[in-house]
Amino acid sequence: DSGVTQTPKHLITATGQRVTLRCSPRSGDLSVYWYQQSLDQGLQFLIQYYNGEERAKGNILERFSAQQFPDLHSELNLSSLELGDSALYFCASSVMSGPTNEQFFGPGTRLTVL
Amino acid sequence: AQSVTQPDIHITVSEGASLELRCNYSYGATPYLFWYVQSPGQGLQLLLKYFSGDTLVQGIKGFEAEFKRSQSSFNLRKPSVHWSDAAEYFCAVHTGTASKLTFGTGTRLQVTL
Repeated sequence: DSGVTQTPKHLITATGQRVTLRCSPRSGDLSVYWYQQSLDQGLQFLIQYYNGEERAKGNILERFSAQQFPDLHSELNLSSLELGDSALYFCASSVMSGPTNEQFFGPGTRLTVL
Repeated sequence: AQSVTQPDIHITVSEGASLELRCNYSYGATPYLFWYVQSPGQGLQLLLKYFSGDTLVQGIKGFEAEFKRSQSSFNLRKPSVHWSDAAEYFCAVHTGTASKLTFGTGTRLQVTL
């Protein structure tokens, strides 16, 4: 158990809908990262927040947005869902930002868009 | 831009045999390198990492990896594989200029008894 929690574990929804994925980082971790794992694209970095502020952006679609709240939990919002958005979404957290800070991964949320 | 290549999509080894998973990276300076393991239905767990110093790094579960700058490689090794090592293994690079991990496509390890 990494100490990172993600809810829900599974989500099934329809095209065009909007969903919110939630992540609680390990206690004391200030940085949260979101990754998408799909069969087509593999594991891709989406976005990082550090202490409430956006720190880095990757291949995140405009239909997706995220935020980190004052209690440091983070939410990833996916809207106007398409079939291709079906994937496993991971959240990771680290104490600080930067390459020497180990990222601890949550168990993921599996999103299925029908 | 940095990239990671894992040339082997799928590897099968017998329990007790040695294992080497290949990883090549592309980056101008010395990268920060990682190996993660993902068991079915699980998140990713860090096996080991290389930042600097000794090019042979030891990790958890008996794994080790060697950084070879001349070959731009960071291959993962284990002298004797256990059936519980069956999983997907990802090599990743973190460059100092970007706060993100770039992952390879993964190598799925199957262990036969």
